[in-house]
Amino acid sequence: SYVLTQAPSVSVAPGQTARITCVGDKIGSQTVHWYQQKPGQAPVLVVYDDNDRPSGIPDRVSGSNSGSSATLTITRVEAGDEAEYYCQVWDATNDRPTFGGGTKLTVL
Amino acid sequence: EVQLVESGGGLVKPGESLRLSCAASGFTFSGSIMHWIRQAPGKGLEWVSSISSSGSYIYYADSVKGRFTISRDNAQNSLFLQMNSLRGEDTAVYYCAREDGYRYKGYFQHWGQGIPVTVSS
Repeated sequence: SYVLTQAPSVSVAPGQTARITCVGDKIGSQTVHWYQQKPGQAPVLVVYDDNDRPSGIPDRVSGSNSGSSATLTITRVEAGDEAEYYCQVWDATNDRPTFGGGTKLTVL
Repeated sequence: EVQLVESGGGLVKPGESLRLSCAASGFTFSGSIMHWIRQAPGKGLEWVSSISSSGSYIYYADSVKGRFTISRDNAQNSLFLQMNSLRGEDTAVYYCAREDGYRYKGYFQHWGQGIPVTVSS
């Protein structure tokens, strides 16, 4: 099955830029989606189709995907961005979604 | 407004059964592929099962195959997960979610609030 690897944690100061990466074999040829999850809440889609944002997601949040890694970038980080972030692709061979292990974003 | 509301969770002993339900509203349920996704305490998201819009195509994670059964009632706009022979490792919050996007590139914009299932003696 397809494996996605994320760093367990990322820390940034308020106002700085957070970059959360998702590594997978030839992930650049996949379509990547990103979710934000705060404690006790359901995941929220923040980026889909590599770099599109659902309505209501600020343009401080963006995605990119190339080669062997995809990146979720959050500029001008705020305290409210502190959360777990998951990447997801579709495992077409087995016809199911695959999630990365998650990255905990801490705002210092 | 799309709404997905799970119910039926709770505390059960190992080997027992539980049936989860997900009531859908605000969209054409009969035209949507639906999924169950779970999250064990302190762990990440794990896909459990999916069912096509008509119910003809069903898939399971290896970890639940043979024990869990997904089904749907399009007339009642409801999704179900029958969980048998439950184990401690099935302890998790279970979410129902609607698949969006292109086929084989799907994502989940709509999730239920999640329902906890605890398997413990």
